[in-house]
Amino acid sequence: DIQMTQSPSTLSASVGDRVTITCRASESISSWLAWYQQKPGKAPKLLIYKASSLESGVPSRFSGSGSGTEFTLTISSLQPDDFATYYCQHYNSFSGTFGQGTKVEIK
Amino acid sequence: QITLKESGPTLVKPTQTLTLTCTFSGFSLSTSGLGVGWIRQPPGKALEWLALIYWDDDRRYRPSLKSRLTITKDTSKNQVVLTMTNMDPVDTATYYCAHTLGIAAAFDYWGQGTLVTVSS
Repeated sequence: DIQMTQSPSTLSASVGDRVTITCRASESISSWLAWYQQKPGKAPKLLIYKASSLESGVPSRFSGSGSGTEFTLTISSLQPDDFATYYCQHYNSFSGTFGQGTKVEIK
Repeated sequence: QITLKESGPTLVKPTQTLTLTCTFSGFSLSTSGLGVGWIRQPPGKALEWLALIYWDDDRRYRPSLKSRLTITKDTSKNQVVLTMTNMDPVDTATYYCAHTLGIAAAFDYWGQGTLVTVSS
């Protein structure tokens, strides 16, 4: 099974900061990667698919990059609504594997 | 618009079989390319992909749980059902169903989730 490893596990940041979260795959997954945002007690929300495609309705301050085994989610200017946990997910026609999550906290 | 909602028991005993139903609207699972998956999240822990069924009845399972899981669909009722046998306290989690736009696609619409507790 392909393993997905996110770093850091927790990130403390301030409003207006540029934030970067990394996701590494145990083997090449091309660009089959998604990013989700989850707030407490809520279902995850799709932000990015196919590594860098912005889901409709998602603010442009979110961006994704990478291919192969290393991927990043960047929030260009952190907003109060962005404090949440973020998950990467490798997906293909056979299965899907999530990372362990990165919690973005208020500094 | 697309909506999904999970339903089923909130409490099951160890060794029992869990049956969860995902009832959806806004799309048909007879439409080529579409799929519905199940994902769970133990309290305070990460998301875990469980199973996925496609419009053509192709089914995929998490390898480590494959022997315990069955996913089926009822296109006429707009429902997808997940059964998990031999439940254990470690299976306590919020279970989500979610829509996927195609083969090798992310989950773009999610249900609200349902918490299932496994305890005697």
